[in-house]
Amino acid sequence: DGGITQSPKYLFRKEGQNVTLSCEQNLNHDAMYWYRQDPGQGLRLIYYSQIVNDFQKGDIAEGYSVSREKKESFPLTVTSAQKNPTAFYLCASSIVWGSQETQYFGPGTRLLVL
Amino acid sequence: GDSVTQMEGPVTLSEEAFLTINCTYTATGYPSLFWYVQYPGEGLQLLLKATKADDKGSNKGFEATYRKETTSFHLEKGSVQVSDSAVYFCALATNFGNEKLTFGTGTRLTIIP
Repeated sequence: DGGITQSPKYLFRKEGQNVTLSCEQNLNHDAMYWYRQDPGQGLRLIYYSQIVNDFQKGDIAEGYSVSREKKESFPLTVTSAQKNPTAFYLCASSIVWGSQETQYFGPGTRLLVL
Repeated sequence: GDSVTQMEGPVTLSEEAFLTINCTYTATGYPSLFWYVQYPGEGLQLLLKATKADDKGSNKGFEATYRKETTSFHLEKGSVQVSDSAVYFCALATNFGNEKLTFGTGTRLTIIP
């Protein structure tokens, strides 16, 4: 079955540590996205990628970094510069950029700070 | 900029009650409108969508009509079930070759037997 997988389901970060969240899709989608979800604030866009080897900052990119070396993979690194990283992180993908095609979401990773 | 305003929750209803969750939007151009649902501990799933004025999206007994004159996309269901308990998000995507989704803050719905 095609879909989006995210790992791990729960991730713990110590102060000053960088952590990387995995996102893999086998839907053959060109576009991929990372969102952050906080209680009562809905979803906010962190980064997006329209195509392999290209990515753009979203609305809240500070303290995060991404790479898109393969079509199926879009890992997100939460750096030590992100002072409030505790949140639920959702990865999504869509067939192409700019067509208003439906975005499909992964199950999410919950990041907690120790 | 674009924005989505949703009815604040939480909303608690009895099984078989009628559901309405209000959603209004502000956008430039002609956006597409979406309702996503998030079950506990899971990611978001597309529930329904509408891409132009007066379109009605429907799925699993839920409906929403794209009303350009009132800039609204209210979600309705005639008879809710316990399994409908979830968080519901209204969202829009503007029609300028831009795939970015703008989400509302979500409405938590709890159905009691």
